[in-house]
Amino acid sequence: DAGITQSPRHKVTETGTPVTLRCHQTENHRYMYWYRQDPGHGLRLIHYSYGVKDTDKGEVSDGYSVSRSKTEDFLLTLESATSSQTSVYFCAISRDSWQFYTFGSGTRLTVV
Amino acid sequence: GENVEQHPSTLSVQEGDSAVIKCTYSDSASNYFPWYKQELGKRPQLIIDIRSNVGEKKDQRIAVTLNKTAKHFSLHITETQPEDSAVYFCAAISGGTASKLTFGTGTRLQVTL
Repeated sequence: DAGITQSPRHKVTETGTPVTLRCHQTENHRYMYWYRQDPGHGLRLIHYSYGVKDTDKGEVSDGYSVSRSKTEDFLLTLESATSSQTSVYFCAISRDSWQFYTFGSGTRLTVV
Repeated sequence: GENVEQHPSTLSVQEGDSAVIKCTYSDSASNYFPWYKQELGKRPQLIIDIRSNVGEKKDQRIAVTLNKTAKHFSLHITETQPEDSAVYFCAAISGGTASKLTFGTGTRLQVTL
């Protein structure tokens, strides 16, 4: 397998509720990323991490927060879900920031 | 930050023909250019990549070319097969201690029989 798993795979939630998506890796890679994928927009970076407790914002970070308390886990939280956050969310990992990324299988999130 | 533009957004070719997808990038410091293939409902997967010190790279039916001066790179698929049908994404990464990949908006390739 790719050494990266996302959970849940599918989720339906109501507007205004908090949601947490989990990315877990077994590769011991330093870098982890959260992207969202929407038709016509490709993959857009939400947040990324370059080490335990080291995170930074991407281009579409509003409404999202992240945490990384250990190397293997990177959590993405939607503090108060909105319909515009309905999307497919992909986590990715890389050994170094200038190397290729390996993607997880994605989480399809629907906010109703 | 980096901006990557990708064309065309859709491409239909007959089996056995060649397909070319083109991308341009804005940051002259970008030094790594991967291409990903995403089949319907699946994760994006790396198919080929190229670094800025190389002008061309080939892997069987797939090749990528890079023109640093013009800041564009292209994916070439020869002898296309139905299993090549997918969405293809180009991406670019800039140098630095915490570089990030910026993706193009994708090209949906359909290979018809």
